Amino acid sequence: EPEVTQTPSHQVTQMGQEVILRCVPISNHLYFYWYRQILGQKVEFLVSFYNNEISEKSEIFDDQFSVERPDGSNFTLKIRSTKLEDSAMYFCASRPGQGYSGANVLTFGAGSRLTVL
Amino acid sequence: DQQVKQNSPSLSVQEGRISILNCDYTNSMFDYFLWYKKYPAEGPTFLISISSIKDKNEDGRFTVFLNKSAKHLSLHIVPSQPGDSAVYFCAASLMEYGNKLVFGAGTILRVKS
Repeated sequence: EPEVTQTPSHQVTQMGQEVILRCVPISNHLYFYWYRQILGQKVEFLVSFYNNEISEKSEIFDDQFSVERPDGSNFTLKIRSTKLEDSAMYFCASRPGQGYSGANVLTFGAGSRLTVL
Repeated sequence: DQQVKQNSPSLSVQEGRISILNCDYTNSMFDYFLWYKKYPAEGPTFLISISSIKDKNEDGRFTVFLNKSAKHLSLHIVPSQPGDSAVYFCAASLMEYGNKLVFGAGTILRVKS
């Protein structure tokens, strides 16, 4: 069963430091997403990415956040200067292109837990 | 932003009985709905979905019902098993092949043996 892989599983950082969370989406998927879940709260959309550009982003995804697909396999989320309130579980997801089986189902990774001290 | 609501934070059911998880939405433009299951320390796992052109979709023990006029959907699990104990998220999207999913807050299901 193909899966979305995320690293690291847990990262602890000091406030103000830069963090990069990495994701390897399923290989033939074309749409990529980042979501986050603050402890005890709902899963929130951050950003979607298609054809090497952001297709949509939420209000949470401010100038401190960026995404990149530096090569054919990795999809990264960078937080430039972390704040305490960035502490959350960050989930990467991907889905196939239109016309493919499961085109409207997002497959999620196991998540990266970010703790900002 | 409360476009998708799961008003029951938790549900406890006896093994073998039916579990019914409910979800309401406010945006009538949503046309695709999904249920995800989540275990601790894991990502959400897709369970079952339904298009707005249908009112029921069944997959083994799992059935999703959609009432568009009431903007309500429900997930039925019959019979419930202890392994079904998890957090269940309802999600909705715009356009069948569309963009982001909007999630509800989740319902913790506990199936007692």
